[in-house]
Parts: sequence; C-alpha cells; structure tokens
Amino acid sequence: GDSVTQMEGPVTLSEEAFLTINCTYTATGYPSLFWYVQYPGEGLQLLLKATKADDKGSNKGFEATYRKETTSFHLEKGSVQVSDSAVYFCALSDISGNNRLAFGKGNQVVVIP
Amino acid sequence: EAGVAQSPRYKIIEKRQSVAFWCNPISGHATLYWYQQILGQGPKLLIQFQNNGVVDDSQLPKDRFSAERLKGVDSTLKIQPAKLEDSAVYLCASSTWDSPLHFGNGTRLTVT
Repeated sequence: GDSVTQMEGPVTLSEEAFLTINCTYTATGYPSLFWYVQYPGEGLQLLLKATKADDKGSNKGFEATYRKETTSFHLEKGSVQVSDSAVYFCALSDISGNNRLAFGKGNQVVVIP
Repeated sequence: EAGVAQSPRYKIIEKRQSVAFWCNPISGHATLYWYQQILGQGPKLLIQFQNNGVVDDSQLPKDRFSAERLKGVDSTLKIQPAKLEDSAVYLCASSTWDSPLHFGNGTRLTVT
C-alpha cells in the first residue's frame, strides 16, 4: 500500500541553522503530499501541502517541493528558531478520493538557543 | 472557528478494563477520522466516517475496538477489553470532502 518514509532519528540544531528533513513516498498514482507539525502538548497542525508534481508548498518559512522523479517531499527551512522545536510528520493522501492520510514516523526537531 | 474537541485528555486504566473516547468535529465537517498514535510512530488510521456511515475500518481491531457516529456529528471510540499494547494517543480529525484534516489534541491512554 501507499507509504511514507522519513529519515531516522531526532534532529538537534542551533538557532538560525538550516533545517532539512527528508521524506520519500511509495504510492500508486500521484498522491497529495503534506507536512504536519505537532508542538508539545498540542494536536497535529497542517504546515504545508502540495497536490501535484513540481508544486512547492510553503508556510512560516518552511518549504517543500513535490518531486515525482525522486518520489520525495523534503522539508526545508533556511533559519530555524527555538519556537520551531516540534515533531514533524510527512504524510500522503491516497488517490481514492477518500482524503485518508498515511503518515511517516515523524522527526523530533530540537532547536537550541 | 472552534477546533476538533476531544475528551478526556488523559486516561489510565488496567488491562482488561474498558474505555471510551469522545470527539466533536468542526461544525459542517462531514468526514471524521480516528487515528492511533503509538509513541515514536506516526498516526495510523483506525476508522473513517462519512456522515454516520463507515467509509473505511479495515485497520480497526474489531474484536476489541468499536466506534460509532450515530447522528453524523459526535463520535465515540471504545476499547473493550484493553490490552497493554493499546497504550497510545488517540487522535480524532475532521474534514470536508476536499479540505485538509483538522486534528484534535488527542486522548493519551495508558494501560497498566
């Protein structure tokens, strides 16, 4: 079935550093792709999305580009802040039209002042 | 707009006991989802409702889990009897047919 793979392990970096979180997917057809963020003690929030190949989603300084050729949707931010500390989940919505999401395992991001 | 409401926030029970979680979706959202998030993993879909009908329950362990959405609005998820491996955060989400999912804050269940 459709699935998402995220890079292993937490990510710890200093404030103002460049952040990349890798995400690759396996799917039949061309799913929509999402990044969700989970701040401590809160629910999942949509960060950005892309619905077709070469689309770039962006929000709050984060960006991700839907790459069909490499089946990837890597998340990037040029200069992170302490407030970006959270867990980030990559997800895909299958093409059945039922709007269901399949999530990756998530990456804990810790930004140190 | 008010978000997805879930209760309780936390629940601790012993194995073999039963437990129920409640979810109130965003007004006007016809689709409701229950996800299970085990520590260190991504959320896994348990069941999806469209109004008061089940769209997908293929991942729901039906021998112990049940869910209903009788009037097409609120939903309850029940576990009976609970096992240790059911310890997780149970997330409710809602959406319209073409909108992204909106999640509640979840119920953290600990089974001892």
